[in-house]
This record gives sequence, structure tokens and C-alpha cells, in this order.
Amino acid sequence: QKEVEQNSGPLSVPEGAIASLNCTYSDRGSQSFFWYRQYSGKSPELIMFIYSNGDKEDGRFTAQLNKASQYVSLLIRDSQPSDSATYLCAGPGSGGSNYKLTFGKGTLLTVNP
Amino acid sequence: ETGVTQSPTHLIKTRGQQVTLRCSSQSGHNTVSWYQQALGQGPQFIFQYYREEENGRGNFPPRFSGLQFPNYSSELNVNALELDDSALYLCASSARDTQETQYFGPGTRLLVL
Repeated sequence: QKEVEQNSGPLSVPEGAIASLNCTYSDRGSQSFFWYRQYSGKSPELIMFIYSNGDKEDGRFTAQLNKASQYVSLLIRDSQPSDSATYLCAGPGSGGSNYKLTFGKGTLLTVNP
Repeated sequence: ETGVTQSPTHLIKTRGQQVTLRCSSQSGHNTVSWYQQALGQGPQFIFQYYREEENGRGNFPPRFSGLQFPNYSSELNVNALELDDSALYLCASSARDTQETQYFGPGTRLLVL
């Protein structure tokens, strides 16, 4: 069974610092990964997706995929209190298709002013 | 806002009852996936609908069923409700030709008493 695991945290960083969130996965054939942000009481919101080995940057967010080590990470630079949320890592389901996303349990991030 | 809508937002039912949840997909999306998110957990895939047919199912019993309509909207039906069915039910829409990135609606919070 394909699994995606995250450090449940919580992770606490001061405002302006870099927050580093990590995720490991079991299926070596997985091709793509997604990071969602979920505020308390709300639904997940897509932040980044990454298909290729290496880094992908979008504003203050950088996703990193290392297929050899089977991990995915999300870096948030210049963290803001508004970044405080649960971050969910998700990978594809059967056959590498994205139709069935397998989620980790999420990492709760708190950014302290 | 993703353009995915769900109704109702909240629902309270008693054990043994049946419930129907509704989802309208984002414009241009033809695929709808349903997820169940228990408190403190990541979303778990229930099933996906594409072209009005079930296109994959997670580890949920047959009392969880669904429909997709010609306008791509979808329903999730749960029969014989159990206390453990209390959760946030999320609908995600996607387009088959865009790497199937899934965008979530606001969710329906179901409480079974």
C-alpha cells in the first residue's frame, strides 16, 4: 500500500525565518507530488506541485523532490503569521495516476510574530 | 476560491440514517473526487467520477456510493450512517488533461450522533 508520511509536528518558527516541511513516500514509482495548505476549519488549498527531480520555486515557496531518497520537502522563506496552518503532502495513487491522491497526516506550522 | 462548491456546509444526522452530499465542479473540470477527512488526519480517497462513471475507489464500504451528472456535478451518498462517519467530506475537481491537479471545495462537515 502506497504511503506518504509527514512529521506531524507541530513546527514553530519565528516570523521571518525559513520553515522546512518534509514528507517521505513509499512508492519509488511515484512521479508527482502536491503540497496543500489547510487553515483550521477550512478545506485544503493547493500551494505547489512538483513533477521533476530538483527544486521548484514559486514566490516564497520552494518545493524539492528527491526521487532517489524518496522525499519531498517544502521550504517557506520569510515566514509570516498568515502561513500558520497545517501543510499536507500528497502523492499519486495507483499506477502513478493523480486521480487518487494519498495524503500524509499533515504538519502543523505556527509562525510566531 | 477554487470555484468548487459543496452543499450543505454542515449536517447533523443520527446513526442508521442516510445522507446525500453535493458538489459542483469548477468550470472546465470534468472529474470529481471525494475524500473523507477525520479530525487530525489527512484526507482519505473515497472514489472518483469521470464521464458519469466511477473511476477508482478507495478502501470504503459499498454503503458509500456516488453519482456524477452530465454537467459534471456529483453526489456522495452514505447509507446506514455510523458514528465513525463523522468527518469533513471534501470534493475535489480536476481536468483530465492538466496533470489532474485537484482543487478542493469548502467541504461538508458531517456529525453523526
